Amino acid sequence: DTAVSQTPKYLVTQMGNDKSIKCEQNLGHDTMYWYKQDSKKFLKIMFSYNNKELIINETVPNRFSPKSPDKAHLNLHINSLELGDSAVYFCASSQERRTAPYEQYFGPGTRLTVT
Amino acid sequence: GEDVEQSLFLSVREGDSSVINCTYTDSSSTYLYWYKQEPGAGLQLLTYIFSNMDMKQDQRLTVLLNKKDKHLSLRIADTQTGDSAIYFCAESTSGTYKYIFGTGTRLKVLA
Repeated sequence: DTAVSQTPKYLVTQMGNDKSIKCEQNLGHDTMYWYKQDSKKFLKIMFSYNNKELIINETVPNRFSPKSPDKAHLNLHINSLELGDSAVYFCASSQERRTAPYEQYFGPGTRLTVT
Repeated sequence: GEDVEQSLFLSVREGDSSVINCTYTDSSSTYLYWYKQEPGAGLQLLTYIFSNMDMKQDQRLTVLLNKKDKHLSLRIADTQTGDSAIYFCAESTSGTYKYIFGTGTRLKVLA
């Protein structure tokens, strides 16, 4: 059973297009995240949702819009794609615990290539 | 803002020990973590340490924490080729949603 799944795994598209990446977790976690990993492997948090509510919204262009229809899903929609959006996008989930360590479970990533 | 820095590359010979270092700036960090990312995959948690501990050992892994200097290290004993990956340190703070990953260290193990 895949804990955190993302679709598609690869996405090649042209500049200016609009695309979506889907994420689902079957762990019963209440918090989900989107990260962007660039070509140098730096990992940058983009968004975080807790119980469908946005709790982290880093400095990300408003062309990126997350949508959480329920606790198990967090989708990422990107409008007017640009070359600089090319990266690997990771979805993650956790059962956030304020007073204990908690693990983030990562999906396999979606490699987005904008041409 | 808070920063978590790591050296970018480390190369060791099979059978040697590897030491991966991490420095952080936020003194309120409660837990510190080490994650491993293999090629083409997401990150996976290896181990973590509570901020009031100095050391934690878990089989071949030893985590050392110097809270005064805000320095965290991961030692891998008897490094194997399967340990070749990118290693990320991370920190979280109790009572907040803050969870910050470091810049990652690419470990290459030479046969």
